[in-house]
Amino acid sequence: DAGVIQSPRHEVTEMGQEVTLRCKPISGHNSLFWYRQTMMRGLELLIYFNNNVPIDDSGMPEDRFSAKMPNASFSTLKIQPSEPRDSAVYFCASSLTSGGASTYNEQFFGPGTRLTVL
Amino acid sequence: SQKIEQNSEALNIQEGKTATLTCNYTNYSPAYLQWYRQDPGRGPVFLLLIRENEKEKRKERLKVTFDTTLKQSLFHITASQPADSATYLCALGGYSTLTFGKGTMLLVSP
Repeated sequence: DAGVIQSPRHEVTEMGQEVTLRCKPISGHNSLFWYRQTMMRGLELLIYFNNNVPIDDSGMPEDRFSAKMPNASFSTLKIQPSEPRDSAVYFCASSLTSGGASTYNEQFFGPGTRLTVL
Repeated sequence: SQKIEQNSEALNIQEGKTATLTCNYTNYSPAYLQWYRQDPGRGPVFLLLIRENEKEKRKERLKVTFDTTLKQSLFHITASQPADSATYLCALGGYSTLTFGKGTMLLVSP
């Protein structure tokens, strides 16, 4: 298995531009998570999908951020318009959870997308 | 508010020694706790999971303890090697999601 795939690996954009990050989870996994990592705040959960349905988006910073999961093998995180404070590494992770219960299972992380907003 | 504390200063040890990393938390009652390893430029990688009713878990050279009274988990690497150098993150498990600490960097010198 190729693991969780994220693209692009690096993104440099100017303030005000739209940014779209992409994620392909591990085949067969039914939970998908988007995280943001910075030195100041560490690894923060942005949104959690289970069976393609957003379950918890309380970590999404504001309306500029949106996430979709149109099918089990693809998810996007969009920032529009982007701001310099959005600069961070964005990780996608997937896991297999059963019965809609707690994520006792390990999460598998992608390599991340390093976003720089100038 | 919920708070997870890991030592922000790097831990420097010599090869062969035991490394002990600490994860303290407040205002939280996790059902389980996980430890991850993160290398520079890469995503975290799962190492161990310990449930609230378990005191200790071992996997090869790794050992994790979980004291829900002290609200603390200790992560031990015995016979440490330079290849163990990385940042180690603890993560507290709720119903559906994980809350991560900021991690502690471990540096093992030959």
